[in-house]
This record gives sequence, C-alpha cells and structure tokens, in this order.
Amino acid sequence: DAMVIQNPRYQVTQFGKPVTLSCSQTLNHNVMYWYQQKSSQAPKLLFHYYDKDFNNEADTPDNFQSRRPNTSFCFLDIRSPGLGDAAMYLCATSREGDTQYFGPGTRLTVL
Amino acid sequence: GQQLNQSPQSMFIQEGEDVSMNCTSSSIFNTWLWYKQDPGEGPVLLIALYKAGELTSNGRLTAQFGITRKDSFLNISASIPSDVGIYFCAGFTPISQGGSEKLVFGKGTKLTVNP
Repeated sequence: DAMVIQNPRYQVTQFGKPVTLSCSQTLNHNVMYWYQQKSSQAPKLLFHYYDKDFNNEADTPDNFQSRRPNTSFCFLDIRSPGLGDAAMYLCATSREGDTQYFGPGTRLTVL
Repeated sequence: GQQLNQSPQSMFIQEGEDVSMNCTSSSIFNTWLWYKQDPGEGPVLLIALYKAGELTSNGRLTAQFGITRKDSFLNISASIPSDVGIYFCAGFTPISQGGSEKLVFGKGTKLTVNP
C-alpha cells in the first residue's frame, strides 16, 4: 500500500523551463517536507509545511517554491531550473513529533 | 549545517557476515532513526528509537539508542545480497520537547555484499 506517492518518478526538463513535482500521502500526516538529494549525499531539507504553515530553510534558493493546497498534496515548483538543480527530490511526511516517512523520489534531469 | 558523524563510510563484506555501523553527535537527540536507501529510491525506515538505552530489533537488524542520547549503532546479522544499499542514521527532537522537528542526517554507510 503506497503511503507517500511522488509523481513523476523521472522528470526531464530544459534549462530555465519551469517544472512542478508532486507529492501525495494517504497517512493524514500534518507535516510534509521536501528534500533535495544529490549523488552520494544525505537528503538536504528545502522546506516543510507544518499544517498550512510554510517553513523555508535559510539556504533554499528563491528558485524553489512550494504549495500545499490540502493535507494530502504538496507541490515543489522550480521556476527556472539550472544544471545544478539536477538531483533526486524527496517528499516526506510525519505526524507532529513523530518519524518521517519518505516517498520514492523524483529524479530530475536538466538538459 | 549540523551533521551526524556516521562510520564507516563504506563496507565490503561477504554474504553471511555480520555488519555494524554507528553514528555520533555533539548534540542530544530525543529520537534516533535508521533508514536504508536503494539506488533510485527514497529512504525506507528500518528502526526508530525513542528512549535512551533502548535496544530494538527488526528481523536481522538490531539498533540501540545510546544512553547519553548522543549516539546510536545498527547491526545487521547474517548479511544477504539484498542488504546492499546506503544506510543513513538520523536524529531529531520534536518541537514539543524543545527541538526543531527537523532530521539531522549522517553521511551514510554504503554497504556492498559479495555473494
């Protein structure tokens, strides 16, 4: 049973062309997170939603935006992808104060 | 940013051998987690530890939450080829307990199992 779903699993975009990645969850968790992971590195937190409250990490580029229209869905928008934005993007969810569960990730390629 | 010290960085073992990896931190965490990540996939939770001194098993996996709350280890017994992957430790302290809710990760241990 899929609990944290990410679509698409693979996304190819062109340099500068906006792209949106999506995440949905069936766990009814109130916290949702977006991470960026580059090869051989640990996931790096970009931002998270605590219910509807958006929390941006200080070093997350302005190029990255997020939307959470309801409890189940969260989107990551990359307004003008650069070559350095090619990475695995991971969505995770948790109940407040509890363990985070990750989705399968979206591999983004920027041409 | 803050990061846990995870070792070893990589391990090459024969099928059937036992494996041990550990994480240390200069800060206290109230929860320690161990994840496994296969290539091209997201991290999968293996074990969650909530109490200092806690020893928890999940099949062939055993993990302990250090008594000082600054360290944890993960043991895998009788390794098999599907144990191959990258293992990450992570610590966090919930907001309700004075923390930030954010995970702090180790750099990962890459495990290779030779059949």
